[in-house]
Amino acid sequence: EPEVTQTPSHQVTQMGQEVILRCVPISNHLYFYWYRQILGQKVEFLVSFYNNEISEKSEIFDDQFSVERPDGSNFTLKIRSTKLEDSAMYFCASSSESYEQYFGPGTRLTVT
Amino acid sequence: GIQVEQSPPDLILQEGANSTLRCNFSDSVNNLQWFHQNPWGQLINLFYIPSGTKQNGRLSATTVATERYSLLYISSSQTTDSGVYFCAVRRRGGSARQLTFGSGTQLTVLP
Repeated sequence: EPEVTQTPSHQVTQMGQEVILRCVPISNHLYFYWYRQILGQKVEFLVSFYNNEISEKSEIFDDQFSVERPDGSNFTLKIRSTKLEDSAMYFCASSSESYEQYFGPGTRLTVT
Repeated sequence: GIQVEQSPPDLILQEGANSTLRCNFSDSVNNLQWFHQNPWGQLINLFYIPSGTKQNGRLSATTVATERYSLLYISSSQTTDSGVYFCAVRRRGGSARQLTFGSGTQLTVLP
């Protein structure tokens, strides 16, 4: 069964550093999403991406965040200058024309 | 935006017991998904159920869209069922497709 994959599974970085989180969505899906979950809290929407552009973004998704689909398979989330409060689990998801979203296993980001 | 409330927030069961988790939402939806977050933090997709009833083994779910709630039933619970159960919805209408999550139900199944 096709699945969404994410790398790395765990990333540790120092405050102020740039990080890139990578995702490979399901191959025939058209819509791509990033969500995050701060430890002990609920999952929050960050951004959605369709037809090579951002379709929706939340208040959390400020200028330090960016997304890209550099080729036909990868979907990346970049955080330009990490802060302590960026420590969270980051989930990538994808969907076809159906509304059902398929989630990856997550990347646990720790900012020290 | 749409509000999603889950109850109870915490549930402790003895192995073999049955349970019902509830998700209420404040607006019409055309996507509702139930997830199980395992101890490694992964979100496991349990059901895509914007309306109707589905069953998968010991788990079943029912969504009554007109009354804006969904129920997740777990029968004959096992210790491996422990974890957080999230409900997530997409509000009907408009072009936005993102899911709004509830705060989850923390389930602990004791041996």
